[in-house]
Amino acid sequence: GIQVEQSPPDLILQEGANSTLRCNFSDSVNNLQWFHQNPWGQLINLFYIPSGTKQNGRLSATTVATERYSLLYISSSQTTDSGVYFCAVGGGSQGNLIFGKGTKLSVKP
Amino acid sequence: DAEITQSPRHKITETGRQVTLACHQTWNHNNMFWYRQDLGHGLRLIHYSYGVQDTNKGEVSDGYSVSRSNTEDLPLTLESAASSQTSVYFCASSRTGSGNTIYFGEGSWLTVV
Repeated sequence: GIQVEQSPPDLILQEGANSTLRCNFSDSVNNLQWFHQNPWGQLINLFYIPSGTKQNGRLSATTVATERYSLLYISSSQTTDSGVYFCAVGGGSQGNLIFGKGTKLSVKP
Repeated sequence: DAEITQSPRHKITETGRQVTLACHQTWNHNNMFWYRQDLGHGLRLIHYSYGVQDTNKGEVSDGYSVSRSNTEDLPLTLESAASSQTSVYFCASSRTGSGNTIYFGEGSWLTVV
């Protein structure tokens, strides 16, 4: 099956700093989504981005499908950005996704 | 507002007991999924369904079963709970097709003692 690797596994930032999270996947996909899991365990969808670039406020994401990676950019980080960021991919005709192990982000005030 | 709800949110059960976790969504989504989350493993797919009467095994389906009798509900049953099934369980749903956002419930914390 498809393998998903995320890096770095852990990241500590000072408030206001920028960061880049990476997701590598082992096969072609037609579905790639980024999620944020907050400290209370809630999973929130950030982006659906199987290719191209999208931006939503301080967050943006880029997927280069031909090179099998995706990047999540967080600018001017805030303490509320803390949590775990997951990349999930799918290659089938429906929505079941394979998740990476996540990047744990801690933003210090 | 449409939503996806799980119950119970927390449960402690004994080894060998049957346990059912409920998942109910009001999005009218055809696709529903159950994942478990464990430290060091991220989220792993247990079972999924693409519509009424359709169920499929995921990556870690042993010891679990699901049934889909209507669009709104996908209950997850642990036939004989084991300590290895102590985990956080997430239900999710999405519209038909591969390019649709997946929405998660708030999770059910299960402890098997």
